[in-house]
Amino acid sequence: EDKVVQSPLSLVVHEGDTVTLNCSYEVTNFRSLLWYKQEKKAPTFLFMLTSSGIEKKSGRLSSILDKKELFSILNITATQTGDSAVYLCAVEAYNTDKLIFGTGTRLQVFP
Amino acid sequence: NAGVTQTPKFRVLKTGQSMTLLCAQDMNHEYMYWYRQDPGMGLRLIHYSVGEGTTAKGEVPDGYNVSRLKKQNFLLGLESAAPSQTSVYFCASLGMGAGANVLTFGAGSRLTVL
Repeated sequence: EDKVVQSPLSLVVHEGDTVTLNCSYEVTNFRSLLWYKQEKKAPTFLFMLTSSGIEKKSGRLSSILDKKELFSILNITATQTGDSAVYLCAVEAYNTDKLIFGTGTRLQVFP
Repeated sequence: NAGVTQTPKFRVLKTGQSMTLLCAQDMNHEYMYWYRQDPGMGLRLIHYSVGEGTTAKGEVPDGYNVSRLKKQNFLLGLESAAPSQTSVYFCASLGMGAGANVLTFGAGSRLTVL
């Protein structure tokens, strides 16, 4: 059965800290891995990763995929209170019309 | 562009009542999805549609029905609501094409079943 596991489930840090969120997966015919940020309402798209070893970067956020070890990490440097959210990882497979989501990591950043 | 619009945003039902959640998208997307989100469970797929007139079951379809009579609308129905269906429901749509495999979500509908 295909599955996506995120860790940790919850994380509390102070502003300025660097955090690493993990996403591991077991999916047949892997196509892509996506990261979303969910604040109060709908998830918003962050990154899509399809190739191993190529870092995607957007400001203080970066992500990388390891297709051999079947995981991805999302790094946030110099965290700010506005980074507080649930971060969702999702995996897409070929020949399927669905995304499989992990349970998310809840990040709380305190001043 | 409005993107994906869900109605209603909030609803309280009594056990056994029925209701329909409406999802509308104005991006001409082929694929549409209904998810539910519960604490500690992440997003779970209820039903989805790959085009007008088609629907398919997701992970947790029991107790729900859907219809996709028009390409822009995807309706989620609860025939006889149960407290276990208390959740936040998200609709999403997906366009086809190169690099288009990113879901666009609606703002969510919070349903409470008493």
